[in-house]
Amino acid sequence: GQQLNQSPQSMFIQEGEDVSMNCTSSSIFNTWLWYKQDPGEGPVLLIALYKAGELTSNGRLTAQFGITRKDSFLNISASIPSDVGIYFCAGREIDNYGQNFVFGPGTRLSVLP
Amino acid sequence: GAGVSQSPRYKVAKRGQDVALRCDPISGHVSLFWYQQALGQGPEFLTYFQNEAQLDKSGLPSDRFFAERPEGSVSTLKIQRTQQEDSAVYLCASSLSRGLQPQHFGDGTRLSIL
Repeated sequence: GQQLNQSPQSMFIQEGEDVSMNCTSSSIFNTWLWYKQDPGEGPVLLIALYKAGELTSNGRLTAQFGITRKDSFLNISASIPSDVGIYFCAGREIDNYGQNFVFGPGTRLSVLP
Repeated sequence: GAGVSQSPRYKVAKRGQDVALRCDPISGHVSLFWYQQALGQGPEFLTYFQNEAQLDKSGLPSDRFFAERPEGSVSTLKIQRTQQEDSAVYLCASSLSRGLQPQHFGDGTRLSIL
């Protein structure tokens, strides 16, 4: 099935730094999603993107739907300790209007005080 | 409660036993998803319901896996003759409308097969 790649796999940053991560696919997507998951909990939807080039913010988080429709980016500004967790991208292939949303393997973020 | 509720939170079973995992979605939510999450990996799609109709079961790994949502609210995921590779966290999510992505996830059931 469709595979998503997330980069980096993990990152350690200092509190206050900005963070960038991305997600790529081998095929064109019509929807990109970003979730955050804390240990022992379910993923929480952060941002949903539906159109190529779309740029959407949610507080300190900003995500973009790549122009090629094969990638998406998530930026976190001025990181704080509660940003620690695993960030998953997810998406749905173009021409697929079913509900099979594919998830990436995640980027694990650690914030050093 | 206000969120998606899953029970039990933890389940330990011996290989070969049958298990049933329950999901209580947010009241009034039309869409319901089941995902399987192995340790250290992202969730993998299992099945999708719109109300009581199971519209997509393409992710169910074998005929040992069965899901139902008979009244369009509570859903049960059943795994028959469990095997060690079934050990994972099983996540349920719901969304208000049809066609929407998984909006609200429960905290999952961690299944361990001995």
